Amino acid sequence: AQSVTQLDSQVPVFEEAPVELRCNYSSSVSVYLFWYVQYPNQGLQLLLKYLSGSTLVKGINGFEAEFNKSQTSFHLRKPSVHISDTAEYFCAVSLSGTYKYIFGTGTRLKVLA
Amino acid sequence: GAGVSQSPRYKVTKRGQDVALRCDPISGHVSLYWYRQALGQGPEFLTYFNYEAQQDKSGLPNDRFSAERPEGSISTLTIQRTEQRDSAMYRCASSPQEAERTFFGQGTRLTVV
Repeated sequence: AQSVTQLDSQVPVFEEAPVELRCNYSSSVSVYLFWYVQYPNQGLQLLLKYLSGSTLVKGINGFEAEFNKSQTSFHLRKPSVHISDTAEYFCAVSLSGTYKYIFGTGTRLKVLA
Repeated sequence: GAGVSQSPRYKVTKRGQDVALRCDPISGHVSLYWYRQALGQGPEFLTYFNYEAQQDKSGLPNDRFSAERPEGSISTLTIQRTEQRDSAMYRCASSPQEAERTFFGQGTRLTVV
C-alpha cells in the first residue's frame, strides 16, 4: 500500500523569504508524484508532477520540487514567496499509470507581510 | 464547460435524509472521479468512472453511498440515510483519459446536523 506524509500542518513564512514544504511517501512500487494547491474557495489545482526523467520538476508560479528516490521524498520549494501564495498545499502519489490518488493531509502556507 | 462544476456548493441536511451531489465534468472528459475530504485531512478516493462504466468503487465507505454516470457525462453521488460522520467536502474531478492530468471541481461541502 502507498502512503503520503506531510509532517508540517502549518508553515508561516515572511514575504520574499524562501520556503520548503516537505512530503515523504511510502511505496514498494513505482509511483507518480504530484503537488496540488488549494486557494480559498477554489478547487485543487495542479502545481507540478513527476512521472519520470529529471528529478527536478518545475511547476507554475515559480514552484519546483525534487524527487529523491533514496529518501522517498518530494519536497516543494520556492525561492521567494508572495502573499498570494497563501494557500493549502497537498502532496499526492498514484501508482504509475493509474488514476487513483493518495493524498497527504496538507500543509497550510501562510505568507506574512 | 470551462471547468468541473459541482452543485450545490453547500448542503446542510438533517440526519437520516438522503442527499444527491452533482458533478458536471469538463466537456469531453472520459474519466470522472469522486473524492471525500474530511476536515484536516487530504482527499480520499471514493469511486471512478470511465465513460458511463463505474470501474472502481472500492473507496465507497458503505452501501449507503452510491454513484452513477448514466450517459457518460454528468455524475451523481447519492448518500442515503445520512449520518453526522458523512459531513465533509465532496470533490469531483475529471480527466481526458485515465491517468492523464486531473482537474478538480470546487467541491460540495456537506453538513449533516
